[in-house]
Amino acid sequence: DADVTQTPRNRITKTGKRIMLECSQTKGHDRMYWYRQDPGLGLRLIYYSFDVKDINKGEISDGYSVSRQAQAKFSLSLESAIPNQTALYFCATQAGQGNTEAFFGQGTRLTVV
Amino acid sequence: GENVEQHPSTLSVQEGDSAVIKCTYSDSASNYFPWYKQELGKRPQLIIDIRSNVGEKKDQRIAVTLNKTAKHFSLHITETQPEDSAVYFCAASYGNKLVFGAGTILRVKS
Repeated sequence: DADVTQTPRNRITKTGKRIMLECSQTKGHDRMYWYRQDPGLGLRLIYYSFDVKDINKGEISDGYSVSRQAQAKFSLSLESAIPNQTALYFCATQAGQGNTEAFFGQGTRLTVV
Repeated sequence: GENVEQHPSTLSVQEGDSAVIKCTYSDSASNYFPWYKQELGKRPQLIIDIRSNVGEKKDQRIAVTLNKTAKHFSLHITETQPEDSAVYFCAASYGNKLVFGAGTILRVKS
């Protein structure tokens, strides 16, 4: 089955460390997104990309960076992690034209201590 | 700004009763409104969506209504069952991206 895969699934890291979350997809979708989920705040958009050469900031991009290495791969980096970046992170994909269903990865639970 | 308000934040209903979750959006150009269900420890998954050219859509026990003039849309679940217990998110399209509401925790008591 075509899917969206995130690695790692869980990670504990120390304040100040650099960490990368990876997302790969076999759906052949052009659009990829990174969201952050916090209780009571829903899913907030961090960054998104509509193709390999396209990177856009979302609502809460400060403290994060991304890389779209290929159509199938979209990585999220925290250059210097801080405790309030502790959250559940989701990658999502959408097909290229118009507004369509978004497919989510399994999520990465990140804890910054 | 790009905003989706969702209410209520938590909802408890008795098994067999109906549940209604409401969302409002701010951009009159929004034209796609999906609803996602997230079970505990799982990823969000689409349960129903509606486009701005229709006012209502049904799929078995689930329905969504859209009022473009008032810029709000609602999810209706009838004959609720324990397996409907989950977090529900609404979303609206802003340009080519989706903006999500804060979520509603639905608890169905048996």
